[in-house]
Amino acid sequence: KNQVEQSPQSLIILEGKNCTLQCNYTVSPFSNLRWYKQDTGRGPVSLTIMTFSENTKSNGRYTATLDADTKQSSLHITASQLSDSASYICVVSLYGGSQGNLIFGKGTKLSVKP
Amino acid sequence: GAGVSQSPSNKVTEKGKDVELRCDPISGHTALYWYRQSLGQGLEFLIYFQGNSAPDKSGLPSDRFSAERTGGSVSTLTIQRTQQEDSAVYLCASSLVVRGGGPQHFGDGTRLSIL
Repeated sequence: KNQVEQSPQSLIILEGKNCTLQCNYTVSPFSNLRWYKQDTGRGPVSLTIMTFSENTKSNGRYTATLDADTKQSSLHITASQLSDSASYICVVSLYGGSQGNLIFGKGTKLSVKP
Repeated sequence: GAGVSQSPSNKVTEKGKDVELRCDPISGHTALYWYRQSLGQGLEFLIYFQGNSAPDKSGLPSDRFSAERTGGSVSTLTIQRTQQEDSAVYLCASSLVVRGGGPQHFGDGTRLSIL
């Protein structure tokens, strides 16, 4: 069964600290992996997209990694800011599947405190 | 507009009523998706369109739910005889293509509350 599991479910950190969010997937055949940020009351916004051959991709203070062998991805946030408080969603795209080919994780809710 | 637009942003209605939710995708985006997000839950796929056709309707929860897309642009999601369990945020997204490629662009959703 195609699944995307994220951990932790929620996380609280102090402003200025770094954090890492995890995503494990059992999706085949794999096409790409995406990380989205969803602010409260808003739609998700794309942060990164990585294909099979990409190990890391950065978007400002956000760095995503992908290990296609172990089927794991992480999203590292550097020098966190209050505006980073949001849910972070891992999404895996597959070839030839239904649901428009996208499998969503349930997200990690990050709270950055001053 | 520059992004995906959804209307209304909030809808409160009584159980048993019909509701219609609207999505205006980004111009030129051929793929359009509808999702449902309940409180504290992940996104639940409902249906997607490639142009005006819907190859995959497997996510629609019941026959009370239907969706259409006209002119390869605007889409409407209709829920008939609403039930309290239909209360959720309904998100629409569009993308240039369905398979691989670029990201989905999401609207801010319609928050539906069934009394």
